[in-house]
Order: sequence, then structure tokens, then C-alpha cells
Amino acid sequence: HSALTQPASVSGSPGQSITISCTGTTSDVGSYNYVSWYQQHPGKAPQLMIYDVSRRPSGVSNRFSGSKSGNTASLTISGLQAEDEADYYCCSYAGSNTFVFGTGTTVTVL
Amino acid sequence: QVQLQQWGAGLVKPSETLSLKCGVFGASFSGYYWSWIRQPPGKGLEWIGEINNSGNTNYNPSLENRVTISLDTSQKLLSLRVSSVTAADTAIYYCARCNIVATKGYFDPWGQGTLVTVSS
Repeated sequence: HSALTQPASVSGSPGQSITISCTGTTSDVGSYNYVSWYQQHPGKAPQLMIYDVSRRPSGVSNRFSGSKSGNTASLTISGLQAEDEADYYCCSYAGSNTFVFGTGTTVTVL
Repeated sequence: QVQLQQWGAGLVKPSETLSLKCGVFGASFSGYYWSWIRQPPGKGLEWIGEINNSGNTNYNPSLENRVTISLDTSQKLLSLRVSSVTAADTAIYYCARCNIVATKGYFDPWGQGTLVTVSS
């Protein structure tokens, strides 16, 4: 499986909403509702933000939401804050007990 | 609270075998898969493979001929071995718990990561 495609960078001003896309194929994103999203600050391990397309773990701000349409999943961050500046990665179950990650998106808060 | 603590050699020579360990604290091995994920410097994440407490393993097809993941349930240790390494295997390696209850899987929590450099 090739890596899922994400935009290299997305930016927004504080308080705005931004959306990060994650495009796969009918073999991964399009076939399963098992997309997760991870936030990674520089020098830190990734942290789970969304799982199963739109479920939010306890402790994650409700400013983070996920959705999916066809072969593309999306992560939306509303009310953008300085602390949201980080890299974000999507991940999808890809069948046969394998997983594929996205190429990653750097979010910049202007 | 579940914590994963990693350790292992940070420098490996080309053609040799990379070996890393991950200790699991505050969680049982049963009911989960336990995974390894890597990240080349400045690049994205790559899923390497996983194992459950029954010893069932699943590997990334692009790596499976060089990778071995094992579990020592008595010592609560997850291990990774990658043979015949090259510079392309230079990366930060993470262990992570893969949650599979009512889902196919997501990764939480993660270890702190170990940078492994392949160089002579």
C-alpha cells in the first residue's frame, strides 16, 4: 500500500477553522471506517486525536473532529490555537491486518 | 495509566541487525496488538508490524522478510529485530499499543521513540 496523500502544509489564523484531507484508495480509506489521526509536536511521539473516522478519545479537545467521504478522510480543527501548531498524520486500516499512514501535514498558526 | 518505555542500540552498522526493546507498564498484553512504527528523520510514519499475546504477528509486506517482532509476556517486553540494515533503516522507532476492541485498530499510547542510525 502506498502512503495516504495529505497536503504538505495548512495554515490558519487563531480562532479560524482548518481542514486537513487524507486521500487513499478503495483498498484502505474507501473500504473501512478505521481512520485515525495523530498530532506530533517537534521531538515528541505522536498522540492519538481521532479514531474510527470520527471518535474522539477522552481528554482530546472537542475542537478536533473527523469525517470521511469516499476515499478521503478529513480532520477539522476549529477555533485554531497556537498549541495546535504541529504535524498531523492520518492512518487507515488497509486490510489483511495491515495499516498505512499518511504523508503528514504541517499545521501553522499564523 | 499505561506507559511504554523503549531502549536499544542507537548506532548499528550496515548489514547488521537492529534490536530494540519496549517495556509495558500498567497494562495487560491480552486483548491488544502491540506494534512497531518508524519515522525517518524529517519524514512520515511507517507501520512496521504487530504481535498479540498469542504470538500472532502481522508485518508490513515491504519489510516482512527482514523483521521479527516478539513478545515476552512474563517480563512484559516487546522486541523488534530488523536484519541486514542499510542507511534507509535510519529512523526513530516507536512502539505503540494497537487497540482492537470493536475496531480494526488505532495506536495509543506510544513509547517515547528511539533514534537508530545505520552507519559504519
